[in-house]
Amino acid sequence: AQSVTQLGSHVSVSEGALVLLRCNYSSSVPPYLFWYVQYPNQGLQLLLKYTTGATLVKGINGFEAEFKKSETSFHLTKPSAHMSDAAEYFCAVSDGPMSGNTPLVFGKGTRLSVIA
Amino acid sequence: DAGVIQSPRHEVTEMGQEVTLRCKPISGHDYLFWYRQTMMRGLELLIYFNNNVPIDDSGMPEDRFSAKMPNASFSTLKIQPSEPRDSAVYFCASSQDRDYNEQFFGPGTRLTVL
Repeated sequence: AQSVTQLGSHVSVSEGALVLLRCNYSSSVPPYLFWYVQYPNQGLQLLLKYTTGATLVKGINGFEAEFKKSETSFHLTKPSAHMSDAAEYFCAVSDGPMSGNTPLVFGKGTRLSVIA
Repeated sequence: DAGVIQSPRHEVTEMGQEVTLRCKPISGHDYLFWYRQTMMRGLELLIYFNNNVPIDDSGMPEDRFSAKMPNASFSTLKIQPSEPRDSAVYFCASSQDRDYNEQFFGPGTRLTVL
């Protein structure tokens, strides 16, 4: 079964600094990988996803993530943090098409705080 | 499209009462998911439907929880009787059959059981 580990339940960065949120996954087949963002009092929304092809994936709001199979990682980065990036970020994995319609498995989330 | 719609947004009830949460998925989406989010356990999948049929309800915590999807545009999650430990934010999400794994979430229902 798939699983996701997000290192650090809370990350704090200064405005303008690099954002790095870590995600490691476990999957027995080539995975589909996702990052979702949750702003206060809202539902989750898709930030970016990797299915096949290019391993560096660009998403909304300047975020990107790189799929590294050898490291079983899918870390989320943004070169320069903005105050509006403060939110909860969730990494998720599924087995994609190899095992049919498998639901997403979410990590426990990382809360990002941005300091002015 | 208005997105996934959930009601009510907030619900406060007393222990032992019945609670019904409602969800309207995005039109044309064939999959519907119910999640529960708490500080302690994070985001948990409770149940999901494909074309109105429940596919996997292994995440439903106990028999007090039940979910239905009578048609493609409506689903309910019912808790009877409710308990304080059911207090959480409940999310509904939907996705298209063709791109199954991209889920669109509703704003959630914040349930407080006193």
